[in-house]
Amino acid sequence: DAGVIQSPRHEVTEMGQEVTLRCKPISGHDYLFWYRQTMMRGLELLIYFNNNVPIDDSGMPEDRFSAKMPNASFSTLKIQPSEPRDSAVYFCASSLVAVNTEAFFGQGTRLTVV
Amino acid sequence: RKEVEQDPGPFNVPEGATVAFNCTYSNSASQSFFWYRQDCRKEPKLLMSVYSSGNEDGRFTAQLNRASQYISLLIRDSKLSDSATYLCVALRGEKLTFGTGTRLTIIP
Repeated sequence: DAGVIQSPRHEVTEMGQEVTLRCKPISGHDYLFWYRQTMMRGLELLIYFNNNVPIDDSGMPEDRFSAKMPNASFSTLKIQPSEPRDSAVYFCASSLVAVNTEAFFGQGTRLTVV
Repeated sequence: RKEVEQDPGPFNVPEGATVAFNCTYSNSASQSFFWYRQDCRKEPKLLMSVYSSGNEDGRFTAQLNRASQYISLLIRDSKLSDSATYLCVALRGEKLTFGTGTRLTIIP
């Protein structure tokens, strides 16, 4: 299995632009998580899905952020409009079931908003 | 107060030494705990689960103290390859909450 696949690996964009991050979870995994990592705040859970349904989006910082999972093999995290404080590494992770099983992370997307 | 707190370090430890990290969690409803390892500019990966009775995996030992709400990780006979950031993780419901990590550097 190729693991969790994220694209792009790096993204540099100007403030105000729309940014779309993509994730392909491991086939057969029921859960998909979006995390953001910064030096100051560490890994923060933004939103997670179970069987393509958003379960908890309380970590989404504000309305500029949105996430979708149109099918079991694809999810997007969109930031519109982007701001410099959104600069971070965004990780997608998937797991078979959330309880007591390993979460497998993608390699992350390093986002820089200038 | 953060839900999971760790000493950020850095811990600079000579090769072959034993090193221990502690982590505290604030929500007593957390039901499971883990240690993840993250190498520089890489994704986090599961190192080991933490059980109430304590568990060992080779040179690594994890302990959980529910009464005091802390978790520990002990690394014996440390290797250069152990250099990484170690993330303490608590599971509550379906949500994994990560500490900010403890950075470890093993010195030759």
